[in-house]
Amino acid sequence: TAGITQAPTSQILAAGRSMTLRCTQDMRHNAMYWYRQDLGLGLRLIHYSNTAGTTGKGEVPDGYSVSRANTDDFPLTLASAVPSQTSVYFCASSAGQTTGELFFGEGSRLTVL
Amino acid sequence: GQNIDQPTEMTATEGAIVQINCTYQTSGFNGLFWYQQHAGEAPTFLSYNVLDGLEEKGRFSSFLSRSKGYSYLLLKELQMKDSASYLCAVMDSNYQLIWGAGTKLIIKP
Repeated sequence: TAGITQAPTSQILAAGRSMTLRCTQDMRHNAMYWYRQDLGLGLRLIHYSNTAGTTGKGEVPDGYSVSRANTDDFPLTLASAVPSQTSVYFCASSAGQTTGELFFGEGSRLTVL
Repeated sequence: GQNIDQPTEMTATEGAIVQINCTYQTSGFNGLFWYQQHAGEAPTFLSYNVLDGLEEKGRFSSFLSRSKGYSYLLLKELQMKDSASYLCAVMDSNYQLIWGAGTKLIIKP
């Protein structure tokens, strides 16, 4: 079972360039999330979607945008990357917004130079 | 503000028992979760507590005291594969997960 698939696994990006991180799940989960994980900090929520067609801002949304056109896909876009966006990005899903059991993708390591 | 505190790093011996503590201050409470994350990998769900008391799942147990804002994860019969970071997370009144920074557990032979 694939679960959640993220792409790319890692990427080096020049500052000012745009980038889309892809996330696809095959579990028919309603809720999806994008987190960033930085050394010494907990997972920080960037954006979330409780159901297809809706999105919401998390703790650190600035510089990022998302869309949820269907249940399975939840891409994260950096319109103009900055070095502070260097991080490991995790996509996750759950059966519903009140469910704390999240299933995570393998992560995308992004370096902005 | 909302806050989750857990030790940064712990060391234990193979075969022993270790307890990882987590204290929290959040706006409301809708459950406490423990996740395991091996280096370079994704977090995976371990346990969920919403009522006070101990939840046991094999070698792992998780305890919750809501009145004290406190939880612990107990790992018994430690194995080398238990070397990982353990993340504590609390679901607040808005059903958002608030995450601790994680406890890196080092197991020595």
